[in-house]
This record gives sequence, C-alpha cells and structure tokens, in this order.
Amino acid sequence: AQSVTQLGSHVSVSEGALVLLRCNYSSSVPPYLFWYVQYPNQGLQLLLKYTTGATLVKGINGFEAEFKKSETSFHLTKPSAHMSDAAEYFCAVSDRGTALIFGKGTTLSVSS
Amino acid sequence: NAGVMQNPRHLVRRRGQEARLRCSPMKGHSHVYWYRQLPEEGLKFMVYLQKENIIDESGMPKERFSAEFPKEGPSILRIQQVVRGDSAAYFCASSRDNYEQYFGPGTRLTVT
Repeated sequence: AQSVTQLGSHVSVSEGALVLLRCNYSSSVPPYLFWYVQYPNQGLQLLLKYTTGATLVKGINGFEAEFKKSETSFHLTKPSAHMSDAAEYFCAVSDRGTALIFGKGTTLSVSS
Repeated sequence: NAGVMQNPRHLVRRRGQEARLRCSPMKGHSHVYWYRQLPEEGLKFMVYLQKENIIDESGMPKERFSAEFPKEGPSILRIQQVVRGDSAAYFCASSRDNYEQYFGPGTRLTVT
C-alpha cells in the first residue's frame, strides 16, 4: 500500500531563508508525486507534480522538488522564503489516476 | 475557465439531519474525487466517480454516506443522519486525465 510521511509537522524560517519541507513515500510501483499548498479556510492548490522524466520539478511561486528514487523522497524547497509562503503544505502520492494519498501536512511559518 | 465549484461553503446541521454537498467539476473534467479533512488526521480519500459510475469507494464509510455523479448536474455527497463526528471539511477535486487533480474550496460541515 502507498503511504506518505512528512517529517516535521511545523517548520519555522525567517524571511529570505531557505525553505525545506521533507516528504518520503512508499509505493510498490513508480508513483506520481505532488505537493499542494493550503491557505487557511481555502482549498488545496497544486504547487508541482512529478510523473515521469526530469527528476527536478519546478512549480509555482518559486518552489521546486526533486524526485530521488533511491531515497524514496520528494522534498520541497524554495531558496528564499516570503511572508506569503506561510501556509500548510501537503505531499501526496498517487498510483496513476487513483486517489491521492496525503501526508499529514507541514505548517510553514515565516517570520520577519 | 471557472475552477471546481462547491456549495454550500458552510453547512450547519443538527444531529440526525441529512447533509448534501455539491461539487461542479471544472469544464471538460469527467473525474471527480471526494476527500474529508479532519483536525489532526489530515486529508483522507473517500470516493472516486466518473459520470454515472462509482469507480472506487474504498474510503467511504459503509453506512450513512453515499455519492453520485449523474449524467447531468453536479456530483453529490450525501450524509444521512449526521453525527458530531461528521463535522469536517469536505473537498471535491476534479481531473481531466485522472492524474492531476484540482481542488474546490471545500464545504465545512458543522454538526450541532
């Protein structure tokens, strides 16, 4: 069965600092991997996705993630945090069109 | 191009009443997914539908919950005889090609 583990339920960074949100997955088949962001009382917005091909994926708002099969990881990074990045981030895995399996989420706080 | 629409955005029901949640997918999308978000539990898949067909309902509670996606009109998630434990945010997502899912703003159900 597929599963997703997000290490760290809360991450705090200063404005301008590197953002690193960790995600490890378990899947018996090559997975599709996703990062979503959720702002308070809103739905989820797709940040980026990996399906096949290039393992370094660039998304919206300056975020990127790298698929590392040997480490079963898909960590999300952004070189310089903005106050507007404060939100909850979810990593998810899917087996080619089936339901998304989400991690428990990581709340990112950004201080000035 | 309008996004995924959900209504109502907020719904209050007394214990024992019925709740009907509606989801209109994005134009051209024929795949609909329902998820439930509970505090401390994260997002959990409930059901996956295509027009007039339930494809996967493995995440749906066996009793009181049902879903449909008719040939015409929105997808409906129906909860009969609601209990306090049903209080949650319910999200609908749609996709065209059954791997990239776009989420609606959610319906926040409160059972009093």
